[in-house]
Amino acid sequence: QKEVEQNSGPLSVPEGAIASLNCTYSDRGSQSFFWYRQYSGKSPELIMFIYSNGDKEDGRFTAQLNKASQYVSLLIRDSQPSDSATYLCAVFTGGFKTIFGAGTRLFVKA
Amino acid sequence: DADVTQTPRNRITKTGKRIMLECSQTKGHDRMYWYRQDPGLGLRLIYYSFDVKDINKGEISDGYSVSRQAQAKFSLSLESAIPNQTALYFCATSDLLPDRTYGYTFGSGTRLTVV
Repeated sequence: QKEVEQNSGPLSVPEGAIASLNCTYSDRGSQSFFWYRQYSGKSPELIMFIYSNGDKEDGRFTAQLNKASQYVSLLIRDSQPSDSATYLCAVFTGGFKTIFGAGTRLFVKA
Repeated sequence: DADVTQTPRNRITKTGKRIMLECSQTKGHDRMYWYRQDPGLGLRLIYYSFDVKDINKGEISDGYSVSRQAQAKFSLSLESAIPNQTALYFCATSDLLPDRTYGYTFGSGTRLTVV
């Protein structure tokens, strides 16, 4: 079992819809959780982080964390073609260790 | 100017050659990292450094070495390149976030091809 798992996609949604990206992790001691966005040929960019159970909202983005289920998700409301990218889930397990998932490709159709 | 600058952006090298990838940052962060990214495998940590005198191996350090020349500079070397080191390499720095965890700022990447 991979330490951080994501569906590779592609996830295709129409413009204006809600895109839901999911991630599961194996280490119950994980402390903080991140979502990075990576456009094709570019470097990852931090867009959200969360460390408490529940929801955290920032503009059109909502991160959701359920530590009991070892599950973290990212919702993108009113999806735009400019949101088309690969979204990397990352989990901080303490000390130096941040584990990245392989990413989910999102495609928003105009 | 970018906060984290990597050179070169692209490089093709032959098997057995030594190659150095360079990284410099203007963010003033103590923590610096080298990752490689391969399709389907995500980002994997090669080396990390928490200050100039503190350098540590990551999960895939075999075949690589690093040098932290200054707080702002962290270079990665492939002593004798082999084809399975063909990948996209990222340098990153990290900053303390409100929950005392660390978020990364990545450089623009170096696409390395070993033939």
